[in-house]
Amino acid sequence: SQTIHQWPATLVQPVGSPLSLECTVEGTSNPNLYWYRQAAGRGLQLLFYSIGIDQISSEVPQNLSASRPQDRQFILSSKKLLLSDSGFYLCAWSLGPTDSPLHFGNGTRLTVT
Amino acid sequence: DAKTTQPPSMDCAEGRAANLPCNHSTISGNEYVYWYRQIHSQGPQYIIHGLKNNETNEMASLIITEDRKSSTLILPHATLRDTAVYYCIDDRGSTLGRLYFGRGTQLTVWP
Repeated sequence: SQTIHQWPATLVQPVGSPLSLECTVEGTSNPNLYWYRQAAGRGLQLLFYSIGIDQISSEVPQNLSASRPQDRQFILSSKKLLLSDSGFYLCAWSLGPTDSPLHFGNGTRLTVT
Repeated sequence: DAKTTQPPSMDCAEGRAANLPCNHSTISGNEYVYWYRQIHSQGPQYIIHGLKNNETNEMASLIITEDRKSSTLILPHATLRDTAVYYCIDDRGSTLGRLYFGRGTQLTVWP
C-alpha cells in the first residue's frame, strides 16, 4: 500500500532563515505531488504541484519554491522566511487522472518568529 | 479559488445521520465532486467522490442532484470521532488532479 511521509512535524524558525521541508511517497510510481498551505483559521491553499521529476508548477507567487529531484520526493524551500510564511504545510500525492483522490501527509506546522 | 459553497458549521447528535450540503452550481460536465475531512492538526482525509451517480463506501454516502449543482454527504451514524471540518471540492476537470479547498463545514457531533 502507498504511504506518504512528511517531516519535520513541527518547526520554529526565525525570520530570514532558510527552510527545507521534505516529503516522500512509497508504494507507487510517478505520482502527482502537491504542496498545500493552511494559514490559521483558513482553508487549504495549493502552492505547487508536480507531474514528474523537475516538472514543477506554481499556483501562487510567493517566497517559496519547490523541487522534485526524485520521482517520489518533493521538497519545499525558502531562502529567507517571512512572518507570513507561518502555517500548516501539507504534502499530498495522487495517481494523476481526474478520477483519483489526493492523499495527504500529516503536515508540518511552521512558526516563523 | 474554490467554486463550492458550504455552511460554515453544523451540529449533529451522536448516532444520528449527519447530512452535509454543498452547492457547486458552476460545475461542468467532466468535473468530479470530492469530499474530504480534516480533524484538527491533521492532514485532510479523503472520504468519497462522484461524478453523476450516487456513491457509497464504508465511510459515507454521496448524493448528487440530477442537475449536478449540489450534493449531500451523509454520515449515516455519526460518532464523536466524526467531529471535523468537511470540505466539498470540485476538481476543475483537470487531468492534473488539482483540488481547491474552501473553508469547509465544521461538523460538531455531540453526545
